[in-house]
Amino acid sequence: ETGVTQTPRHLVMGMTNKKSLKCEQHLGHNAMYWYKQSAKKPLELMFVYSLEERVENNSVPSRFSPECPNSSHLFLHLHTLQPEDSALYLCASSQDRWQGGSYEQYFGPGTRLTVT
Amino acid sequence: QQPVQSPQAVILREGEDAVINCSSSKALYSVHWYRQKHGEAPIFLMILLKGGEQKGHDKISASFNEKKQQSSLYLTASQLSYSGTYFCGTDQTGANNLFFGTGTRLTVIP
Repeated sequence: ETGVTQTPRHLVMGMTNKKSLKCEQHLGHNAMYWYKQSAKKPLELMFVYSLEERVENNSVPSRFSPECPNSSHLFLHLHTLQPEDSALYLCASSQDRWQGGSYEQYFGPGTRLTVT
Repeated sequence: QQPVQSPQAVILREGEDAVINCSSSKALYSVHWYRQKHGEAPIFLMILLKGGEQKGHDKISASFNEKKQQSSLYLTASQLSYSGTYFCGTDQTGANNLFFGTGTRLTVIP
């Protein structure tokens, strides 16, 4: 596997379910990101991890819970979601952070989530 | 805090040129450009940094006017493979946290 991978690619869940999204990067990067991409809205940054430490939480509801057990893996745990949470969830990684925002981000293919 | 992109959509014939603009209301450390094809991950194109440094593809050019807080992406002699949605991402703090625009859908036809 190369680059950034995400599983599952598609997920349908009820509002009372608990599920997790998984992201893995094979690039040796130190920073990882979760984004939400809804139809006709900009990509929204949700969480940022740097060296396994959460450094940003962009006012995301507590029904989304991230976890970064090591610098290669990132999870997004989901529980009691709402239909408006249906979206494409993208994971990304970058070599590092800061340095004037000079690190490009590498994205995974995303998980298409549908909440029923 | 999201930047504004224009145009929202553009259709080109192969070989034609296009310019996509990205405008921010905040001062910026850098501007990132990505392209996303339907059902695929966004792909990195370019970074433009304060002070004039650039990183990215040789065949794509872009500009960054720090004072006006604007960036433009120039696509010349377009090819069918250029089709997709182009996003700019702006970094207001230098921390690599990006605010993305709503995207410009580019369609290149034969």
